[in-house]
Amino acid sequence: GQSLEQPSEVTAVEGAIVQINCTYQTSGFYGLSWYQQHDGGAPTFLSYNALDGLEETGRFSSFLSRSDSYGYLLLQELQMKDSASYFCAVRDEKNTGFQKLVFGTGTRLLVSP
Amino acid sequence: DAMVIQNPRYQVTQFGKPVTLSCSQTLNHNVMYWYQQKSSQAPKLLFHYYDKDFNNEADTPDNFQSRRPNTSFCFLDIRSPGLGDAAMYLCATSTMGLAAPNEQFFGPGTRLTVL
Repeated sequence: GQSLEQPSEVTAVEGAIVQINCTYQTSGFYGLSWYQQHDGGAPTFLSYNALDGLEETGRFSSFLSRSDSYGYLLLQELQMKDSASYFCAVRDEKNTGFQKLVFGTGTRLLVSP
Repeated sequence: DAMVIQNPRYQVTQFGKPVTLSCSQTLNHNVMYWYQQKSSQAPKLLFHYYDKDFNNEADTPDNFQSRRPNTSFCFLDIRSPGLGDAAMYLCATSTMGLAAPNEQFFGPGTRLTVL
């Protein structure tokens, strides 16, 4: 099976940069994704990495190292609205026809003024 | 706007009283999922439909059932809710051919309370 580990909580101040790490164990690999979820809200897709390297989308970037089974989400110029939970996710290797995901343990990001 | 809609947003039921949660989508995606999410935990997949094909997760209790009468709608039936079934229930959709193969589109969720 798969397992994904994340830090449970990260704190930072407005304007800072924060990195949320994700280490995974899978017998097959079909890409690493990141989702954001505000309290009481639905998860929303942030990014997807299939290959090694950095993917940038505005203030958010996501990095993947397949050889290290490791990825991270980098949030720059933090804003109060970035306070949320962040989940990494991988696709279940048993199912290649659609996007059945296994989510990580989640990291709660608290941004203070 | 194309979206995933869940009704109701909040549902209160009594212990043992059957309840149905609904999900509809205007995205025309062929895959629909139901997740259970408890406080401070990751979403846990209960089952999914790939078109009309139903796929149950091995650890989903028999108390949970699902129906998908057409592409747009999917229902989650909890036959005899217990206190441990109180959670947020999330519906999501996806389809092949997306630029990001791991992208799922989630509805706002239904928060279920069991009294």
